[in-house]
Order: sequence, then structure tokens, then C-alpha cells
Amino acid sequence: GNSVTQMEGPVTLSEEAFLTINCTYTATGYPSLFWYVQYPGEGLQLLLKATKADDKGSNKGFEATYRKETTSFHLEKGSVQVSDSAVYFCALSSGGSYIPTFGRGTSLIVHP
Amino acid sequence: GAGVSQSPSNKVTEKGKDVELRCDPISGHTALYWYRQRLGQGLEFLIYFQGNSAPDKSGLPSDRFSAERTGESVSTLTIQRTQQEDSAVYLCASSQIAGNTEAFFGQGTRLTVV
Repeated sequence: GNSVTQMEGPVTLSEEAFLTINCTYTATGYPSLFWYVQYPGEGLQLLLKATKADDKGSNKGFEATYRKETTSFHLEKGSVQVSDSAVYFCALSSGGSYIPTFGRGTSLIVHP
Repeated sequence: GAGVSQSPSNKVTEKGKDVELRCDPISGHTALYWYRQRLGQGLEFLIYFQGNSAPDKSGLPSDRFSAERTGESVSTLTIQRTQQEDSAVYLCASSQIAGNTEAFFGQGTRLTVV
């Protein structure tokens, strides 16, 4: 079956630091990959996505590259801000399963 | 509608009572999902609808949980004889088709069983 593994948090950084949150997956078929973000007190919203190998999804300074050979979709940002503090979920969706599968979430805390 | 709408946003109920949680998906979205998120935890899949049928109910934690969807639109998640361990945020999401597409989430219903 499908599964997503992401690094445990919390990740605590100072403002303007470099961010990496690791995500690896196993899937049947050829999945689409997603990062969702959940800001405090809010619902999940899509941050970025990639639908095929070597695609790079990007949004709000965040990037992630679909690596089929390593089954990974790591999230990166060159310079985080306090406003990026949130919980980040890696997810996949494939025609074989029909049900979006989520990682456990990684809490990011950015200090001024 | 413009987005996925869930109601109520908050619900406090006494142990042993029944509760109904409602989800209005985005118009035209055929796939609908319910997840549960306990405090500080990830998303736990509960049930998936394709149209009005539920091909996968494997995530429902017990027979106290049930869900239905009518008119390929509104869905209701019902929890009977609530227990304290049912306290969580219940999230609904919809997508245009099942598989390979992004899911759009509602704000969730925070259920507290006292």
C-alpha cells in the first residue's frame, strides 16, 4: 500500500535560516506528490505539488523536487520567516489507491 | 461553493451522546474524504466517497462511526455514544476525481467529549 514518511519535529530555526524537511514515500502506480501546510488554528492548504519525476513544485519561496529514483520529495526554503511557523504535511495521491495518504506532519517553529 | 465548508466549527458534547458533523464539498467534486486529527497527531483516514457510494470504509474506528453522502454533495459523519477518545478535529476534504489530484480541505470540526 501507499505510505509517506517525513522527519519528526519540531524543527526549530532562527529567522533567515535554511530549511529542509525530508519526505520519502512508497506507492503503487505513479503518484502525484504534495506538500500541505497547516497554520495555527487553520485547516490544511496546499503549498505545492509535483505530478511527474523531476518536476519541481514551488510556492512562497518553498521548493520540492519529485525524485523517483530515491522516492523522495524533500521540502526546502532558503530563508525562513517567523510567519512560516506551521505544521507541514507531505502527501501523495495515486490512481491505484484513490485516497490521499499523508505523513505525520512536521512542526516548524521559527524564532525572530 | 467557493470552498469546503464544515459545520459546526466547534462541538462540545457529553459522553454517550450522538453527534453529527456536516461537510459541504466544492461543487462538482466527486471524491470526498473524512480524516481525524488528534491533538498533535497526523491525519487518520476514516472514509472515502466516490459520488454517493463509499468504496472504502476501512478507516472507521468502530461501529459507532458511520457516514453518508447524498446528491453527490453534502456528507454527514455520525458518531454514536461518543467517548472521550473521540475528541479530535474532524477534517473533510474533496477533490475533482479520486487519485492523482489535490484535495481541498475544510476548516474542520473540533469535537470535545466531556
